[in-house]
Amino acid sequence: EIVMTQSPATLSVSPGERATLSCRASQSVSSNLAWYQQKPGQAPRLLIYGASTRATGIPARFSGSGSGTEFTLTISSLQSEDFAVYYCQQYNNWPPFGGGTKVEIK
Amino acid sequence: QVQLQESGPGLVKPSQTLSLTCTVSGGSISSGSYYWSWIRQPAGKGLEWIGRIYTSGSTNYNPSLKSRVTISVDTSKNQFSLKLSSVTAADTAVYYCARGDITIFGVVGYGMDVWGQGTTVTVSS
Repeated sequence: EIVMTQSPATLSVSPGERATLSCRASQSVSSNLAWYQQKPGQAPRLLIYGASTRATGIPARFSGSGSGTEFTLTISSLQSEDFAVYYCQQYNNWPPFGGGTKVEIK
Repeated sequence: QVQLQESGPGLVKPSQTLSLTCTVSGGSISSGSYYWSWIRQPAGKGLEWIGRIYTSGSTNYNPSLKSRVTISVDTSKNQFSLKLSSVTAADTAVYYCARGDITIFGVVGYGMDVWGQGTTVTVSS
């Protein structure tokens, strides 16, 4: 079983600043890694797949990197609409989801 | 553009069966390029994958729920459904249906590229 660990649990960032979220897999998931954004009261939205490919309609300020066991989601300049919970997911094996990182306003 | 919409009772009594339907619009549920999943989220908690069905009819379920879950598809109505039996308060959650695109994720796996808005199900007498 692959365990996905996200850090930090909560990230406090000021608007306009850069946010860096981490996701670690207990064993290699190659590049089979996705990131989702979930705002309060809304369904998750796919941001990144293949570790670094932005999904359709996702702004360029969102970028993903990494492979194997270490992954990063970077939001280059936080906008007000980016404050949300972010989940990483390895989508080839069980169980899929990490515990999430909440990005809150500093 | 494809859209998914969950429907079903918002209140289920303990020990009964939770039944939800996801209606797919703007695309065919029969396309071999997609698989169809259910995910749930208890209030204030993370995402829990429940199971999926592929157009062939093959299913995969969360091991911890497998004995109680059935996912089926009705291609004539462009819908797929979730049944969860013997529910308890621990099954209270927002339930989401979602699509996985094989051309995006490369496999019939756990990725979801389109989600329904979710429906809240409360288990209570």
